[in-house]
Amino acid sequence: AQSVTQPDIHITVSEGASLELRCNYSYGATPYLFWYVQSPGQGLQLLLKYFSGDTLVQGIKGFEAEFKRSQSSFNLRKPSVHWSDAAEYFCAVGAGAGNKLTFGGGTRVLVKP
Amino acid sequence: GAGVSQTPSNKVTEKGKYVELRCDPISGHTALYWYRQSLGQGPEFLIYFQGTGAADDSGLPNDRFFAVRPEGSVSTLKIQRTERGDSAVYLCASSPQPGTRETQYFGPGTRLLVL
Repeated sequence: AQSVTQPDIHITVSEGASLELRCNYSYGATPYLFWYVQSPGQGLQLLLKYFSGDTLVQGIKGFEAEFKRSQSSFNLRKPSVHWSDAAEYFCAVGAGAGNKLTFGGGTRVLVKP
Repeated sequence: GAGVSQTPSNKVTEKGKYVELRCDPISGHTALYWYRQSLGQGPEFLIYFQGTGAADDSGLPNDRFFAVRPEGSVSTLKIQRTERGDSAVYLCASSPQPGTRETQYFGPGTRLLVL
């Protein structure tokens, strides 16, 4: 069975600084990987997804993620954080014909002014 | 266009009662998913529908949970004899069709509190 680990429960970053959120997955086949963001009172919004091909994936809001098969990782990055990026971020792996998602526990990002 | 909507947004009930949670997917989306998100955790898969049929219900925790989608659009998640441990946010998502390349679009969720 697939699983996703997000080692960092909380991260605090200063506005304008870079951000990297870690994600490690376990899956027996080629993984289909996703990053979602959840702001307070909002639904989950897809930031980006990886299926195949180029291992560096660009997403919305200036985010990118890099797939590293050798490390079973799919880390999310943003070069310069804005206060509006304060939210909870979830990494997920999709499996099966129906693409049911298995999520990590999430990383809550706090942005200091 | 309209996104996924869920009603009610909040539901408070007493232990042992029956509840129904509703999901309106994006128009034309054939795949519909239910997830449950407990406090401080990531969402967990419950069930997904392709059209009217439940294609995978492996995530339903026990037989108190049941979901239907009789006309292939709106879905209802039903919980019988609620327990305090059922308290969570129930999320619905839809996608144009099931498949690994399809994005799932999530609704805002229904926050269920069982007293």
